[in-house]
Amino acid sequence: LAKTTQPISMDSYEGQEVNITCSHNNIATNDYITWYQQFPSQGPRFIIQGYKTKVTNEVASLFIPADRKSSTLSLPRVSLSDTAVYYCLVVGTGRRALTFGSGTRLQVQP
Amino acid sequence: DAGVIQSPRHEVTEMGQEVTLRCKPISGHNSLFWYRQTMMRGLELLIYFNNNVPIDDSGMPEDRFSAKMPNASFSTLKIQPSEPRDSAVYFCASSLLAGRYNEQFFGPGTRLTVL
Repeated sequence: LAKTTQPISMDSYEGQEVNITCSHNNIATNDYITWYQQFPSQGPRFIIQGYKTKVTNEVASLFIPADRKSSTLSLPRVSLSDTAVYYCLVVGTGRRALTFGSGTRLQVQP
Repeated sequence: DAGVIQSPRHEVTEMGQEVTLRCKPISGHNSLFWYRQTMMRGLELLIYFNNNVPIDDSGMPEDRFSAKMPNASFSTLKIQPSEPRDSAVYFCASSLLAGRYNEQFFGPGTRLTVL
């Protein structure tokens, strides 16, 4: 089971780019890296998923180095509404292969 | 689409009582997941179904917990008997394609308080 490690919290200001890094040293060959966002009193919401190199969608980019032992979620030009908890998880086969870590609490200030 | 629907949204019960949480996944989705979230343990996967069949229930804490999916549009998570340590927010999620790899859509959750 690939355990993930993320910073507990981060602070940023509106308009800045935010990069949240996640470590997953024992990621397996068939595992994917997925990020979710959670607002208070809501269920998590899918942001992005990748296997290697770079993935970009309309809200974020995901950078994964060649060794895949870490990944970085990049949020361009954050706004106050991006204040949330961000979870990195490694999704794979096998039992219990879908574990959310403790998440990173992002606080965006004006 | 209404998204994943969970009921009730809030449940307060007394220790020893039976609790049933309900979930309606997004129509056409083939996988369904039950999670539990607490401050201490974070978000834990309890069980998930592919095409109504339970695939991995290794996260179910003990025999007091049971989950069923009698058809593609309905699932229940039952706790009998309930204990104060079961107090948590329970989320149901569904995904279009079977399996863990695919984007999951979460419901609003059921906040359970066991007194």
